[in-house]
Amino acid sequence: AQSVTQLGSHVSVSEGALVLLRCNYSSSVPPYLFWYVQYPNQGLQLLLKYTSAATLVKGINGFEAEFKKSETSFHLTKPSAHMSDAAEYFCAVGSTGNQFYFGTGTSLTVIP
Amino acid sequence: GAVVSQHPSRVICKSGTSVKIECRSLDFQATTMFWYRQFPKQSLMLMATSNEGSKATYEQGVEKDKFLINHASLTLSTLTVTSAHPEDSSFYICSASRQVYNEQFFGPGTRLTVL
Repeated sequence: AQSVTQLGSHVSVSEGALVLLRCNYSSSVPPYLFWYVQYPNQGLQLLLKYTSAATLVKGINGFEAEFKKSETSFHLTKPSAHMSDAAEYFCAVGSTGNQFYFGTGTSLTVIP
Repeated sequence: GAVVSQHPSRVICKSGTSVKIECRSLDFQATTMFWYRQFPKQSLMLMATSNEGSKATYEQGVEKDKFLINHASLTLSTLTVTSAHPEDSSFYICSASRQVYNEQFFGPGTRLTVL
């Protein structure tokens, strides 16, 4: 069975500081991994996805994530936080039949 | 490409009435559609998975007779909340996927408020 753990339900960073949102997965097969962002009262927007190609995945809005099989991790980073990055972030692992397992989410606050 | 729409975006209804939410894949044929429910400050909870032309598969604890799902075509799925009650108030999100792509494309969500 697959599962996703997001460490830290709330993360606060100063504007311009590094953003690091943690995601660990449990999967019995090579996973498809995703990061989504959700703004209030909106649906999910795909930031990036890992599909067994390059382990360092670049996404939109300056975000990137690195797939580390040995650590079963797929942490999301951004070198310099912007006020507009404040949102809820979800990590997800894809399963057969395209079913997704979502993490519990991390709320990112950016302090001016 | 891969745009999914939901209608309506917001709906307010009286207790005891039924509400239908539509989910459409606008520029692709969706072999599978998913319906999620999201409570405030929480993650998405999968309610059901539907494949075009077949009955939906509901997750444990989700009432089939309460949440009716129809996937009549490769571009349209509907969720009907029957005899809605205040506890059904939530944010409902649909997503659609294509068989060969291990990815889901999400709609913008529907905010349901039952008075």
